[in-house]
Amino acid sequence: SQQGEEDPQALSIQEGENATMNCSYKTSINNLQWYRQNSGRGLVHLILIRSNEREKHSGRLRVTLDTSKKSSSLLITASRAADTASYFCATDRDKIIFGKGTRLHILP
Amino acid sequence: GAVVSQHPSWVICKSGTSVKIECRSLDFQATTMFWYRQFPKQSLMLMATSNEGSKATYEQGVEKDKFLINHASLTLSTLTVTSAHPEDSSFYICSAESLTGNEKLFFGSGTQLSVL
Repeated sequence: SQQGEEDPQALSIQEGENATMNCSYKTSINNLQWYRQNSGRGLVHLILIRSNEREKHSGRLRVTLDTSKKSSSLLITASRAADTASYFCATDRDKIIFGKGTRLHILP
Repeated sequence: GAVVSQHPSWVICKSGTSVKIECRSLDFQATTMFWYRQFPKQSLMLMATSNEGSKATYEQGVEKDKFLINHASLTLSTLTVTSAHPEDSSFYICSAESLTGNEKLFFGSGTQLSVL
């Protein structure tokens, strides 16, 4: 069964705006990861945040983790057309389980 | 970064035939590889975990006799869809975890299987 669930399922924003995606999960985790998938392709690892971390940055990406609420957010700042993709959170306990994903569309 | 090569990218086959999909880690050794199935606009569903030199561990509901997995070396895992039927049509993706165990997964580019 799926562990994580992303919100929203789909998001369309103007280029240059910030995009925020959320992920909620059900059980305790070792870490939470965010991946990106372009249509019809494999996934690319974006960032990993451990259960004892609260925030992490990587370039235009900012990830937060709230273990008390069992939730994480991914913020993409100054969005670009090339950011159009599906974004998945994945939680790691005994194995890595993916959420349903958020389909992000950046409008030119 | 680490590269995982998955082949073929797409395959069309007749119902009843078997299809083999290869997943290779090109520049690192992978003790563990994972096979996923993905339907359009859906998430990745883990099918099985493949460990080098041992039998694969299948997720509940996945038929091990239908989806044969072989992990013969530290750089190669194969998934064979046996006696494929139209309902097996899907996007199959492999991923690999490196020996360094840095918890990241490196993904192949996926295989689109269409069974006629």
